[in-house]
Order: sequence, then C-alpha cells, then structure tokens
Amino acid sequence: DGGITQSPKYLFRKEGQNVTLSCEQNLNHDAMYWYRQDPGQGLRLIYYSQIVNDFQKGDIAEGYSVSREKKESFPLTVTSAQKNPTAFYLCASSIAGTPSHREQYFGPGTRLTVT
Amino acid sequence: AQSVTQLDSQVPVFEEAPVELRCNYSSSVSVYLFWYVQYPNQGLQLLLKYLSGSTLVKGINGFEAEFNKSQTSFHLRKPSVHISDTAEYFCAVKGSSNTGKLIFGQGTTLQVKP
Repeated sequence: DGGITQSPKYLFRKEGQNVTLSCEQNLNHDAMYWYRQDPGQGLRLIYYSQIVNDFQKGDIAEGYSVSREKKESFPLTVTSAQKNPTAFYLCASSIAGTPSHREQYFGPGTRLTVT
Repeated sequence: AQSVTQLDSQVPVFEEAPVELRCNYSSSVSVYLFWYVQYPNQGLQLLLKYLSGSTLVKGINGFEAEFNKSQTSFHLRKPSVHISDTAEYFCAVKGSSNTGKLIFGQGTTLQVKP
C-alpha cells in the first residue's frame, strides 16, 4: 500500500537532547513537508522540500533542521535550541508540478514530549 | 499575504442534525481551497478540494462545500451528521505560486452528541 509512515508514534526525550523524527513515503512524490501542531493553533509549517537535496524554511524553522538525501525520506531533527519542542509533528507529501495536483497527503504523526 | 480564518473553534450538534463549519480566506491571487479532517491522534485526511469550475464541491463522507469568491468563503456542510463525524476539521488555502505551501486555519472541533 502506498502512503506515508512516521516513526515512532510517541517519543520522549530529556531537555537538551537532539531528537530525529522519521518520515518515509512510497508515493513517488517530489515534495515533502513538516508541520507542527499545537492545540488551538492549527498546523504551522516548519520546513519543506520540493526536490532532493533542496529544502526551504517554513514559518517556524528556528530550532529545527532537515535533510533530503533521498526522494522517499525527509527526516526532521528537533535540536536543543527549540524552546518549546513538545508538540504533535506531522509529515506530508505532494506531487510537484501543476498547482491542481498540490493536495497534500499526511502521515499519522509523531507526538514528541520533552521533559 | 494569505490567511485562513475558521470562525468557530467548537461546534456542538446533535446526531442527524445538519451542520456548517465556516471558513473565510484572504488572498490577492487565485486560490485553491481544501478541507481536511483529523481524528484524535491521527494525521489529516482530505475531505474535498476546490481547484476551479463548479463552486459546489462534493467530498467524502457526505460532506460538501461551496466556494464563494465575493465573500471569500469556503464553508463546509453536511445535511445529517453521525457520531463518527466527531473530529477536528481544518480549512486550508494554497495560492497559485510555484510552491506547494498550504496555509491552514486554526481548526474547528465538531462534537456530535447522541
């Protein structure tokens, strides 16, 4: 089955540690995205990538880093510089190209708790 | 800059009653509009989308939405809701730029009561 997988579902870390969230897709999509979701704030874009080896900052990139070495994979690292890392993180992908194909498909999310 | 406003944070409704979830957007360019649904602790699932053409868009699970350009709105409706429709609903807008970025509203929690 085609889709997006995120692992793990729940992640716990101590303050001051970096942590990497996994996102893999087998939809053959060019574009991938990372969002952060907090209660009552909707989804906010952290980083996005439209092609391998290229990515751009979203609205809240500070304290996060990404890489895009393979088309299928777009891992997100939450660094110790992120002041409030506890949140629900969602990965998405879409076809790049004509705007009419830009609907995004979402993974199941990773809930990160930092204490 | 584009923005999306969902006018209600919570909408309680009884089972089998009709419901409307309101969404307004602001954009100076042509837009593409989306409604997504999120069940607890899950990712988002696309309900429906407006790209062009007919302003009344039908989606999955009996939902529909109407694009109103003059009022810059894209309200979501369902004539009769079920308990299983209880979830959070997000409206999103994408402009006609060459990036795939979506701007999301804050979400509306639909609470269907028996």
